[in-house]
Amino acid sequence: GDSVTQMEGPVTLSEEAFLTINCTYTATGYPSLFWYVQYPGEGLQLLLKATKADDKGSNKGFEATYRKETTSFHLEKGSVQVSDSAVYFCALMDIKAAGNKLTFGGGTRVLVKP
Amino acid sequence: DGGITQSPKYLFRKEGQNVTLSCEQNLNHDAMYWYRQDPGQGLRLIYYSQIVNDFQKGDIAEGYSVSREKKESFPLTVTSAQKNPTAFYLCASSILEGSAFFGQGTRLTVV
Repeated sequence: GDSVTQMEGPVTLSEEAFLTINCTYTATGYPSLFWYVQYPGEGLQLLLKATKADDKGSNKGFEATYRKETTSFHLEKGSVQVSDSAVYFCALMDIKAAGNKLTFGGGTRVLVKP
Repeated sequence: DGGITQSPKYLFRKEGQNVTLSCEQNLNHDAMYWYRQDPGQGLRLIYYSQIVNDFQKGDIAEGYSVSREKKESFPLTVTSAQKNPTAFYLCASSILEGSAFFGQGTRLTVV
């Protein structure tokens, strides 16, 4: 079945540092890929998405590129802020193989220190 | 404003009781989901529904039940068969082939 693997956290950074969170996936079809963010005590919010190979999703300074050859969707931000401290989830939706089933990775906690 | 609403925010259950968590959306989304999140853990899919009157088991459906009688509503019942129900429960909805919108969650505690 479909699965998503993320690097384990926590990731601790200083403000203005470069952030990378690795995400790889396994899917039988051609999934859409997502990054979601969760702030303490809240639900998840969509951060960005990509629906086909080589697409780049971007939002709020975050970027991720859909790499079919390496089955990856790594999240990057060039200069993090304290407000970026949260848990980040990579996810996939493989419509043809599994309908609307949305599968998440285990999440990566990011802590940005001033 | 369109959105997805979960209630209550906090819920306490006694051993052996069934409880129902509410999830309502006014986004006109076809698909709805229930996830369970344990402290420091990722999201595990309990049930999902792609259309009214139809739903599928997710990865951890045992001890839970759902219904989808209306497009807007997807309530989750945590039954007494669920041996470890204390967790944070998240409901979400999406258009078909689209990204999901999440509610604020319900924190269930067994007392």
